[in-house]
Amino acid sequence: DVKVTQSSRYLVKRTGEKVFLECVQDMDHENMFWYRQDPGLGLRLIYFSYDVKMKEKGDIPEGYSVSREKKERFSLILESASTNQTSMYLCASSSPGTSGRRSYNEQFFGPGTRLTVL
Amino acid sequence: QKEVEQNSGPLSVPEGAIASLNCTYSDRVSQSFFWYRQYSGKSPELIMSIYSNGDKEDGRFTAQLNKASQYVSLLIRDSQPSDSATYLCALSGSYIPTFGRGTSLIVHP
Repeated sequence: DVKVTQSSRYLVKRTGEKVFLECVQDMDHENMFWYRQDPGLGLRLIYFSYDVKMKEKGDIPEGYSVSREKKERFSLILESASTNQTSMYLCASSSPGTSGRRSYNEQFFGPGTRLTVL
Repeated sequence: QKEVEQNSGPLSVPEGAIASLNCTYSDRVSQSFFWYRQYSGKSPELIMSIYSNGDKEDGRFTAQLNKASQYVSLLIRDSQPSDSATYLCALSGSYIPTFGRGTSLIVHP
């Protein structure tokens, strides 16, 4: 059974704190993603990684950084948390496995971390 | 820029009815199409993938893809109250999917 885990389900931090969110997948997937999800705004991509030590900015990377030292682990870092970073953070992984002309890229999500910054 | 459009709803159907959820998209290059179900406060869960024109059935769920008209739909037969959730449509031409904002479905007894 596929599994993506996230380090915390709920997290409360103070403005200015450095925050680490960790994600681990056991599916040997190449691709990993960090999203945030806010009411009315849908899923927004923060960063993604297609290989160890590789990272690419998504749509809203400002205020965030990431680290991928091992294939199974992808960390999201809030260098100095702010109240507008209060959100649900979702990690996902996928494999670009192909068969003929098909490109799978089915994403599997972790349970999410609801972060509150006070 | 890929766009994926979904009616936000809520779509309200009685128990036992067929729920029909629709999604249109702007990108003709996309090859993979997905439906995710998201319960309130939970993360999205993949329920259907479809890659070719036509219908794909899995239990009570049927995904329909029409690339010429650029729409993908999800039919839920014999809807149950436990189907009440937000349904996200997503498409992918590379390894980065584009998500719609979801349609809220309410199945009332």
